[in-house]
Parts: sequence; structure tokens; C-alpha cells
Amino acid sequence: TQLLEQSPQFLSIQEGENLTVYCNSSSVFSSLQWYRQEPGEGPVLLVTVVTGGEVKKLKRLTFQFGDARKDSSLHITAAQPGDTGLYLCAGEDSNSGYALNFGKGTSLLVTP
Amino acid sequence: ETGVTQTPRHLVMGMTNKKSLKCEQHLGHNAMYWYKQSAKKPLELMFVYSLEERVENNSVPSRFSPECPNSSHLFLHLHTLQPEDSALYLCASSQDPFPGETDTQYFGPGTRLTVL
Repeated sequence: TQLLEQSPQFLSIQEGENLTVYCNSSSVFSSLQWYRQEPGEGPVLLVTVVTGGEVKKLKRLTFQFGDARKDSSLHITAAQPGDTGLYLCAGEDSNSGYALNFGKGTSLLVTP
Repeated sequence: ETGVTQTPRHLVMGMTNKKSLKCEQHLGHNAMYWYKQSAKKPLELMFVYSLEERVENNSVPSRFSPECPNSSHLFLHLHTLQPEDSALYLCASSQDPFPGETDTQYFGPGTRLTVL
């Protein structure tokens, strides 16, 4: 299994602050995905990054895939309470055509 | 009804009970998945079905038994579970991934299972 380490595990910030969360591995992934999971719901895909060095923006969220395709980061600008949730990164398991390897996630709380 | 639905949303059962979790997808996908989400652990893939055939079974104990009668429905039959099986069980579906291609999985809201 290709492990994905996410940091920090927990993050509590106030509305308007910026933050970055990280997803790291010693393995190379063909792509990485970021999901957000809200309490009582399943994960929802935010973005897929495929090319090393790729940067994708989704409104206030900026996703970056490392040049070596082993790590990724998610930066949120001016966080809002609606950003609260568990952020999960997932990479395709090279030994399986179907499996995604997930990190444990970063639990983000944004307070007004 | 849209997306991926799961019933029940919450389930409490004793170790000697038999129960089933149901998942239904309305997206026209050909692959369906069962995941287990426990506190402080990554999502664990349990089973994968593609075109109604099981293609992966990740060393899951036999007290969990999946069933996929058609491409829209997936069940997880539970019997003689242990307290450590308490978790959120998530169902997901995707179009029909080919090895080496990135596919998007759409998740249901999950069933919160508590085993007493």
C-alpha cells in the first residue's frame, strides 16, 4: 500500500485567515485527488491533479501537485465557516486498477 | 433522487444480529465500492464491483458479505460482527475505470454502524 501522510491532523482558525494543508508520500502517484467531507456526509471530490508541478485553482482554493508527483498541497485563502470539514487526499494505487489510497485527512474548523 | 444514496443512515446492532446495508446509484455508473471509515484511520477499501462482478476483495473478514445484483445496487450483508467493526460504511460509484486511468468516485452519505 502506498501511504499518504496528511498534515496537520487538526486545524482551527478564524474566518478570514489563510491556511495550507499538506499531503506527502514516498511513492509516486500518477494523480492525486482532494476530497472534502462534511459531518454526516460522504467525501466530495474537489479536484484531481495529474501533471507534476500542476497548479489548479477553485475559487479560494489552490491545489498544487509536486514536481516529483509524491506530494500535494491545498491552500485556502480567506477561509470561511463553510470551508469547515475533513480534507482528504487520495492517490491511485498502482497495484490496483480501482483502489484509491486515502490519507487520514486534515480536520479543519473555521469559526466566525 | 440523485447521486448515491445509502440506507439506513444509522444502524445499531448486537453481535448476533444479521443486517444489510443498501446502496443505490443513479448516475449510470458501472463500478461500485464499499469503504470503511474508522476514527483516526484512512478510508479502507473493502470491495469493488465492476459490471456486477467482484474485482477486488481486500482481505475483509467473511462476516462482511457483499452482493451486487445489478449495476445500480450494492448491498453489504453483516452477521456476527464485533464491536471493532463499528464505523462509517461508505458506498461509492464510478463510471468504469481502466487500470492506469484516473477515475472519479462519487460517495454516498454513509451508514453509521454501531455494534454493541
